[in-house]
Amino acid sequence: GNSVTQMEGPVTLSEEAFLTINCTYTATGYPSLFWYVQYPGEGLQLLLKATKADDKGSNKGFEATYRKETTSFHLEKGSVQVSDSAVYFCALSISNFGNEKLTFGTGTRLTIIP
Amino acid sequence: DAGITQSPRYKITETGRQVTLMCHQTWSHSYMFWYRQDLGHGLRLIYYSAAADITDKGEVPDGYVVSRSKTENFPLTLESATRSQTSVYFCATYGGRGDAKNIQYFGAGTRLSVL
Repeated sequence: GNSVTQMEGPVTLSEEAFLTINCTYTATGYPSLFWYVQYPGEGLQLLLKATKADDKGSNKGFEATYRKETTSFHLEKGSVQVSDSAVYFCALSISNFGNEKLTFGTGTRLTIIP
Repeated sequence: DAGITQSPRYKITETGRQVTLMCHQTWSHSYMFWYRQDLGHGLRLIYYSAAADITDKGEVPDGYVVSRSKTENFPLTLESATRSQTSVYFCATYGGRGDAKNIQYFGAGTRLSVL
């Protein structure tokens, strides 16, 4: 079956530090890969996505590259801000006649301290 | 307002009671989903619907019932609540076309406590 494994949290960093949150996946077929972010008290929202191997998704200074050879989609940001404090979820979907069911990782809580 | 709304935002109930969580969307998206979020498990799919009157089970459907008589609404019912159903529940939609392809949109969630 499909599964996503992501870095255990919580992760605490100082402002302006470099961030990496690891994500690896197992999937039958060719998945699309996503990072969703959940700010306190809110639902999830899409942060970035990549739909095929070697694609790089980027948004708000975050980046992730779809690596088929290592089945990975690690999230990176060069200089984090306090406002980046949130829970980050890696996810995949396998298109099935248009039904994009998502399989999520367990989430990584990120806290940025000033 | 346009978008996806869930109600109530918070609910406390007792074991054995019936509870219905509401989800409403204004986009006319075909697909709608219910997830539960638990520490250590991430989000797990409970039920989903491809269109009005079409629903199917997800990963953890036991103890839940859904219906979808109208495209815009997708209520989730716990017929006899149990403590293990204490969780945060999220509804999501998926449009599947153009810029919305590959993206699910989530509501703000309902925090349910079963005592």
